[in-house]
Amino acid sequence: AQTVTQSQPEMSVQEAETVTLSCTYDTSESDYYLFWYKQPPSRQMILVIRQEAYKQQNATENRFSVNFQKAAKSFSLKISDSQLGDAAMYFCAYRSGFTHTGKLIFGQGTTLQVKP
Amino acid sequence: GAVVSQHPSRVICKSGTSVKIECRSLDFQATTMFWYRQFPKKSLMLMATSNEGSKATYEQGVEKDKFLINHASLTLSTLTVTSAHPEDSSFYICSARDYTYTDTQYFGPGTRLTVL
Repeated sequence: AQTVTQSQPEMSVQEAETVTLSCTYDTSESDYYLFWYKQPPSRQMILVIRQEAYKQQNATENRFSVNFQKAAKSFSLKISDSQLGDAAMYFCAYRSGFTHTGKLIFGQGTTLQVKP
Repeated sequence: GAVVSQHPSRVICKSGTSVKIECRSLDFQATTMFWYRQFPKKSLMLMATSNEGSKATYEQGVEKDKFLINHASLTLSTLTVTSAHPEDSSFYICSARDYTYTDTQYFGPGTRLTVL
């Protein structure tokens, strides 16, 4: 069975600085997708970024980028120029490319605090 | 991104009553929707996968007779908590799988259920 691990329950960053959130996963599959979701205090889950396992190039979305290390099964999220609005709980998620349901397996989450 | 709505956002009910929560995909058709439960500062726990026109698939340990799921159309799934008890109080989140373009899950804003 696949698992997703976020080993940092809480992180903090100074406004305008850069922070990296860690995520590792375990799978024997070759086809899968990885996601980072953000859950602000409103509790609305928001997709931040996605990565297809077959793509070697790391995904980027504006100030958000990932470091996808397939061999190491690592998928970290880098937030550049942190803003107060980035304060949220961040979840890493895995989706198999082989199951038709598309269900997500979530990590435990990392709470990010942004200090002004 | 695609929009998923959830209604109601908050509900308070008496012990023993049933409560229905609706999840709608507003601008796309969703043959697959998911229902999650989330405790404070914890990750999302998948309860069941809702498939349009067929029975839902429940995760291990989730009582199917207590959490009734109906996916009657391509844009609507409902979760009914039957004979609710205080231990059912929680935050319930739905998501819908958008197969077009990005094949990504988009989440509703959640429903806070309080059972007195």
